[in-house]
Amino acid sequence: AQKVTQAQTEISVVEKEDVTLDCVYETRDTTYYLFWYKQPPSGELVFLIRRNSFDEQNEISGRYSWNFQKSTSSFNFTITASQVVDSAVYFCALSEALTGNQFYFGTGTSLTVIP
Amino acid sequence: DVKVTQSSRYLVKRTGEKVFLECVQDMDHENMFWYRQDPGLGLRLIYFSYDVKMKEKGDIPEGYSVSREKKERFSLILESASTNQTSMYLCASSFGQGPYNEQFFGPGTRLTVL
Repeated sequence: AQKVTQAQTEISVVEKEDVTLDCVYETRDTTYYLFWYKQPPSGELVFLIRRNSFDEQNEISGRYSWNFQKSTSSFNFTITASQVVDSAVYFCALSEALTGNQFYFGTGTSLTVIP
Repeated sequence: DVKVTQSSRYLVKRTGEKVFLECVQDMDHENMFWYRQDPGLGLRLIYFSYDVKMKEKGDIPEGYSVSREKKERFSLILESASTNQTSMYLCASSFGQGPYNEQFFGPGTRLTVL
């Protein structure tokens, strides 16, 4: 069973629009961490954020914000006022205390921002 | 800055060839990982290593082996390359034990097996 689901395969938005990337996870562990990575066309995954299972505070970093809701097992990522440089594939990932360092990645969402 | 480097960005091999993909990290990380990335399937873990000479199978180890003789280097080996191993291969590393630490990725090797 897929532990991390990113139902949106591809999204296109016009520059300056807001966009939300969805991530739903599944775990029986009480201690776990959620991550978002960005993969630009160059190919290298870049770490964006980490959240632990005990901290449900939303996080904002510039135009990026993350909404973590344990009740719905979701960790969604919103880009405000999107820019062409935001075009990339975005991955959500889960790691669990029980399985240590192993990450479970979603299938990714390809975001295209149209100028 | 953490740097993970991979020996090639692009590689073309023939069916049946033995293929070596090399990964080197410069931050003294204990953990190293090999993933393959395919459209619609995301990243799938092939093998990982927690320490020198130690290895653990990931989700799709069939057709692959690994070697970690030095802490900074983790090699992925395709003993006899097949066309279904055409893919993007990503190496990653992380520090310490436990689920907290983010993984740092290399630029990837796009392997084509003809």
